[in-house]
Amino acid sequence: AQSVSQHNHHVILSEAASLELGCNYSYGGTVNLFWYVQYPGQHLQLLLKYFSGDPLVKGIKGFEAEFIKSKFSFNLRKPSVQWSDTAEYFCAVGSTGRRALTFGSGTRLQVQP
Amino acid sequence: DGGITQSPKYLFRKEGQNVTLSCEQNLNHDAMYWYRQDPGQGLRLIYYSQIVNDFQKGDIAEGYSVSREKKESFPLTVTSAQKNPTAFYLCASSLGTGEKLFFGSGTQLSVL
Repeated sequence: AQSVSQHNHHVILSEAASLELGCNYSYGGTVNLFWYVQYPGQHLQLLLKYFSGDPLVKGIKGFEAEFIKSKFSFNLRKPSVQWSDTAEYFCAVGSTGRRALTFGSGTRLQVQP
Repeated sequence: DGGITQSPKYLFRKEGQNVTLSCEQNLNHDAMYWYRQDPGQGLRLIYYSQIVNDFQKGDIAEGYSVSREKKESFPLTVTSAQKNPTAFYLCASSLGTGEKLFFGSGTQLSVL
């Protein structure tokens, strides 16, 4: 069975600080990896995804993530956060072995002005 | 506008009552999903359907039932067997399984 771990449950940063949110998954086969974001009062929306190719993927709003296969990781990064990045962030994995995405428990990011 | 519509936005269930949450999509997606969101637990998969007239149990299917009679509709019934139904329920769809999900705005279910 596949699973996803997000180690940071609540992160508080000041504006302009750098962000890295951890995501590790367990599944031995080929995976598709995603980061979703849920802004207060809004739908979950896709930040970025990795299917194949360049392991460094860039998403919307200046976010990027790096797939490190040997570490089963897909950490999310942003060099300089803004107050508007305050949201909950979810890592998710899909695979041929399970035809529905498995989500992590989420990380609540609070950016202080 | 293309998208996923969930209704109602808020729903209250009495003890011993079954309630049905609606999910409709006009994206022409084959796959549809129901997730339950609880604080600190992320999204957990209840049921999913890859195609009309077919669906599979997810990780927490006990106490829930679904149907997929039409491509655009995937209603979820929370039965009286579900002992802890209070949660935020999210419906999603995708073109194919394992691909990018499009989410609805959710239904908050509470027990009276």
